[in-house]
Amino acid sequence: SQQGEEDPQALSIQEGENATMNCSYKTSINNLQWYRQNSGRGLVHLILIRSNEREKHSGRLRVTLDTSKKSSSLLITASRAADTASYFCATDVQGRAQDSSYKLIFGSGTRLLVRP
Amino acid sequence: DTAVSQTPKYLVTQMGNDKSIKCEQNLGHDTMYWYKQDSKKFLKIMFSYNNKELIINETVPNRFSPKSPDKAHLNLHINSLELGDSAVYFCASSQGDRIDYEQYFGPGTRLTVT
Repeated sequence: SQQGEEDPQALSIQEGENATMNCSYKTSINNLQWYRQNSGRGLVHLILIRSNEREKHSGRLRVTLDTSKKSSSLLITASRAADTASYFCATDVQGRAQDSSYKLIFGSGTRLLVRP
Repeated sequence: DTAVSQTPKYLVTQMGNDKSIKCEQNLGHDTMYWYKQDSKKFLKIMFSYNNKELIINETVPNRFSPKSPDKAHLNLHINSLELGDSAVYFCASSQGDRIDYEQYFGPGTRLTVT
């Protein structure tokens, strides 16, 4: 089963408005990352928040993390048409016993449409 | 300069064929990954290599075989292709296998099996 699930699945807003996307996960994490994927392209890393952090900012992005609720939110302020993309949260999960590393588990993403 | 590149970008083939996807990164990273993204946009890790050594091997059919000739390249060979293999395959790399390193993704290879 997926570790992270984004909500809503799709979001349509007017340019200039704020967009908020949520992510819930199931098991304890060390870090949570947010990625953006433009249509037909690969994912691009946006921001990483550690489990001992509650909030982090990067430009127009604000990420919060509530480990007690196992949830995170991504806020994009003053949205632009160029922000139209899918946004994914990714959490770390230890690999199988024979694996020596952690792996990222991605949710199914929130598709954001910013109307000009 | 493309950081993580994949070839081909599109691959259309028939069931039963064998095909390969190549990936190269020029970032000097030690760790590389293969992901599969299905039609519902779920992105799932398949394999990970660190300095040419396999460190993550998810439960994928053994028809899928990764090969890392050097730490800048990670190729994916698929034998006896099936309809269910149709998906977009992404290669990614990171500085190391620590989980707080960000991953850099390639543009993806859209595989269609007919």
